[in-house]
Amino acid sequence: GQSLEQPSEVTAVEGAIVQINCTYQTSGFYGLSWYQQHDGGAPTFLSYNALDGLEETGRFSSFLSRSDSYGYLLLQELQMKDSASYFCAVRDGENQGGKLIFGQGTELSVKP
Amino acid sequence: DAMVIQNPRYQVTQFGKPVTLSCSQTLNHNVMYWYQQKSSQAPKLLFHYYDKDFNNEADTPDNFQSRRPNTSFCFLDIRSPGLGDAAMYLCATSSRVIRSYEQYFGPGTRLTVT
Repeated sequence: GQSLEQPSEVTAVEGAIVQINCTYQTSGFYGLSWYQQHDGGAPTFLSYNALDGLEETGRFSSFLSRSDSYGYLLLQELQMKDSASYFCAVRDGENQGGKLIFGQGTELSVKP
Repeated sequence: DAMVIQNPRYQVTQFGKPVTLSCSQTLNHNVMYWYQQKSSQAPKLLFHYYDKDFNNEADTPDNFQSRRPNTSFCFLDIRSPGLGDAAMYLCATSSRVIRSYEQYFGPGTRLTVT
């Protein structure tokens, strides 16, 4: 089977740095994606790692270690608007149609 | 702006009364997805289309059907909604299969079953 694990919730203060971890067990692996979802909103794509290492996009960075089946999303200079749920997702390459398997999500609360 | 549009945003239906949710996209993407998301849970894939090639998830109830008459439109039909089908239904697209890691989501339709 396939599974992804991430913490259910994380709390941090404005201006701080927070790391959201994701470990996965999948029969095939074609990369790790991260999505942000505000309460009542739609998920929005943040980043994708196909290869090991760090990808940086502004205040957000994402890291992947394929040998450890592990990745994380790093949010720097936290702002109140970053309060949201964050999902890691693995692309299921077994299915030719291509689909994502989502983790259960991490609810990030940013406090003043 | 290119986007994914879902109508209606809120839908109330009665137990057992068929309902259709719609999704349209101006991105000209080949792949379209339907997800069900319940409160504080991950989106759960129901089915997806690669062009007109339909892919049903093994655990999607038979009560759920989908149609994709053309590239731009996709419909989710719930033939006999039960109380357990109350959820947010999300439509998403990706440009190609190999870019399925990057999906564009619509705002969702929140379905209430009374």
